[in-house]
Amino acid sequence: SQTIHQWPATLVQPVGSPLSLECTVEGTSNPNLYWYRQAAGRGLQLLFYSVGIGQISSEVPQNLSASRPQDRQFILSSKKLLLSDSGFYLCAWSVLRDTRPRDTQYFGPGTRLTVL
Amino acid sequence: AQSVAQPEDQVNVAEGNPLTVKCTYSVSGNPYLFWYVQYPNRGLQFLLKYITGDNLVKGSYGFEAEFNKSQTSFHLKKPSALVSDSALYFCAVREAGNTPLVFGKGTRLSVIA
Repeated sequence: SQTIHQWPATLVQPVGSPLSLECTVEGTSNPNLYWYRQAAGRGLQLLFYSVGIGQISSEVPQNLSASRPQDRQFILSSKKLLLSDSGFYLCAWSVLRDTRPRDTQYFGPGTRLTVL
Repeated sequence: AQSVAQPEDQVNVAEGNPLTVKCTYSVSGNPYLFWYVQYPNRGLQFLLKYITGDNLVKGSYGFEAEFNKSQTSFHLKKPSALVSDSALYFCAVREAGNTPLVFGKGTRLSVIA
């Protein structure tokens, strides 16, 4: 079966510090990978998604970046954190099967980031 | 462009009563519709999805959803609510292709004993 891991689970960082959040998927190959941010326990904002190694689509302009160095690894980074970067960061995966719209996205447990 | 609306920020229901969480969508083609649930400080859990066929879809934990094409709705329902159903519920849509889901803003369900 497939599993998705995120770490760390919680993180407290000062403004201006760098950030690296990691997401890995087990039990599947060549997945689509996604990063979402959730502010104040409500809506989800899609940040990045990737359909393959080195292929990243950015949905919103910000001081965050994403990378996919391996097939099942997705990393969210920042060089200098802002207060507004605080939130709950969720990674998700789905099966990459041509252009099938029916495939479900499955989410990881999330990382709670607090920027002080 | 595809979009999803969840018109209620909060839904309160007494334990044992039926519950409904509303969702309407907008797409230009055939919709593929999903419901997720989120418990505090947890990731989203998949509940059910509508792809094609029967308009009534059954999912996890006794939930079901009814697809209504004429009203462009996909409301989540459960015949008898439990206190443990209290959580944040998200509706999502994908129109076509290999693209990310588009989520609604979420509805907080509170089931009162």
